[in-house]
Amino acid sequence: DAKTTQPPSMDCAEGRAANLPCNHSTISGNEYVYWYRQIHSQGPQYIIHGLKNNETNEMASLIITEDRKSSTLILPHATLRDTAVYYCIPQNEKLTFGTGTRLTIIP
Amino acid sequence: GAVVSQHPSRVICKSGTSVKIECRSLDFQATTMFWYRQFPKQSLMLMATSNEGSKATYEQGVEKDKFLINHASLTLSTLTVTSAHPEDSSFYICSAARTDQPQHFGDGTRLSIL
Repeated sequence: DAKTTQPPSMDCAEGRAANLPCNHSTISGNEYVYWYRQIHSQGPQYIIHGLKNNETNEMASLIITEDRKSSTLILPHATLRDTAVYYCIPQNEKLTFGTGTRLTIIP
Repeated sequence: GAVVSQHPSRVICKSGTSVKIECRSLDFQATTMFWYRQFPKQSLMLMATSNEGSKATYEQGVEKDKFLINHASLTLSTLTVTSAHPEDSSFYICSAARTDQPQHFGDGTRLSIL
């Protein structure tokens, strides 16, 4: 499984865009990049995933570099409810959770 | 989005008791279900993967005789912690997935063994 590097913590002002980076330089060609988040004492919530192309859904946008060695999750207008630990996970079959980024949205 | 229900949400019981946790996919048929464990201030650790109608595949270091997994249908998997002891106290989380679709997680079961 590919290893990931994410900053341990980030702050973002409410209403601003939150940009969460992830390095996955050892990702293999058939592994998608998945993003999940975990709000305290809850199960993880699926956000978005992609293989090569940038993706957007109602929750977020995912920007994947052309070499696929890194990606950025963008929450366009962060709210207080977006405070959570965000996990970037290259996946083929199984999800391997790292330590993630603890994102705190500041009022 | 896909809904996965986990029950019970919290269990407190005496040492030596066996505890069963249910995981249901409410609006889709899950070809695979996963069981995770999360200790305080740590990340989720995969315990086992189960496919409907077949034996679960356990991760290294997870005792299959202690953590019994049954995946009887495409919408239900159960995890039984047998003869639970205080060191088994943890947050247990299930997820369900169908082929080529993201995993969707339950809200977890907090198990406390006294």
